[in-house]
Amino acid sequence: KAGVTQTPRYLIKTRGQQVTLSCSPISGHRSVSWYQQTPGQGLQFLFEYFSETQRNKGNFPGRFSGRQFSNSRSEMNVSTLELGDSALYLCASSFSPGATGGSLHFGNGTRLTVT
Amino acid sequence: EDQVTQSPEALRLQEGESSSLNCSYTVSGLRGLFWYRQDPGKGPEFLFTLYSAGEEKEKERLKATLTKKESFLHITAPKPEDSATYLCAVQAGGGSNYKLTFGKGTLLTVNP
Repeated sequence: KAGVTQTPRYLIKTRGQQVTLSCSPISGHRSVSWYQQTPGQGLQFLFEYFSETQRNKGNFPGRFSGRQFSNSRSEMNVSTLELGDSALYLCASSFSPGATGGSLHFGNGTRLTVT
Repeated sequence: EDQVTQSPEALRLQEGESSSLNCSYTVSGLRGLFWYRQDPGKGPEFLFTLYSAGEEKEKERLKATLTKKESFLHITAPKPEDSATYLCAVQAGGGSNYKLTFGKGTLLTVNP
């Protein structure tokens, strides 16, 4: 059974540009959550999607957005990139929203570098 | 606001030298406390769930315990392959916000 797949693995962007990251959940999983991981802040929750609807949102500016498609694949978009957006972006999937932490399956992340 | 603090930030052990990692937390209504292992370039891998004070879970050389304010991850006779970052997270119960709040992790290095 394939795990959570995130593409691309690495991205280098310039300040002011925008970027789109993709996440394919485990087959059968319909909930997708996104997290940002930085050395200074650790892992921070961005948002969660289920049935193409955003169910929860963390404390990030509106430049961070996401969406989910009917096949449960999800994308997140960051507009007007800032240097501080450099981070590892992790996606996690589960069968349903509000899953306990033990039911989350994480992908290996997309490493975004903003120069 | 839920908070998780892990200590130490980094820990170096010799193979076979047992030690403990600490996770202190404040949360409104604990739904669960979770331990993960993260290897370089990988996403977090689930290890344990603890639900209530006094609970303990074991897996190979790892043992997780929980009190009302903190959790410990005990590592007995570690091996070099136990080297990783260990993350602690809490999940509040009730309401509709199920997000995990993570600590910043403890980087464990086990030298042969």
